[in-house]
Amino acid sequence: GNSVTQMEGPVTLSEEAFLTINCTYTATGYPSLFWYVQYPGEGLQLLLKATKADDKGSNKGFEATYRKETTSFHLEKGSVQVSDSAVYFCALSERTGNQFYFGTGTSLTVIP
Amino acid sequence: GAGVSQSPSNKVTEKGKDVELRCDPISGHTALYWYRQSLGQGLEFLIYFQGNSAPDKSGLPSDRFSAERTGGSVSTLTIQRTQQEDSAVYLCASSLPGKQFFGPGTRLTVL
Repeated sequence: GNSVTQMEGPVTLSEEAFLTINCTYTATGYPSLFWYVQYPGEGLQLLLKATKADDKGSNKGFEATYRKETTSFHLEKGSVQVSDSAVYFCALSERTGNQFYFGTGTSLTVIP
Repeated sequence: GAGVSQSPSNKVTEKGKDVELRCDPISGHTALYWYRQSLGQGLEFLIYFQGNSAPDKSGLPSDRFSAERTGGSVSTLTIQRTQQEDSAVYLCASSLPGKQFFGPGTRLTVL
């Protein structure tokens, strides 16, 4: 079956620290991979995506590389800001269908 | 509309009452999803509609939960005889292939 496992939080970092949020997946096919972000009081929104192996998704200084060999899609940012405080969700979608599978979310708090 | 809309934004109800939550997807999106986000939990898939196909109801937690989608557009999630553990944020999303757009959610509180 399909599933997503992501690093449990909460994560607390100082401003300008390096961020990694781990995500691994299990899929029966060849999925597309996503990171969604939910800022406080707001709805979920797509942060970045990658559709095939070795693709790198990037947005707002965040990056994630689709690693088929390790079935991973870890989220990274070189220097976090207070405004990055949010809950981050890793997700996958099978190519052949519309079903999405989400991880449990990782809460990030960045302190000045 | 510009995005997915949901109503009401907040709903407080008494245990045992029925509630209906509404989702208006983005026009033209054939797929529609309902998720539940409980405090401290991740996103829990509830139900998925795709065009005229039979919905995937595999995520509905009990027979108190049901959903319908009329005319391939607006969807209503109904929870009968609400329980306190139903308290959560209920999220709707519509999608194009490979990308979901989420509504702001309905926060349900069961007293």
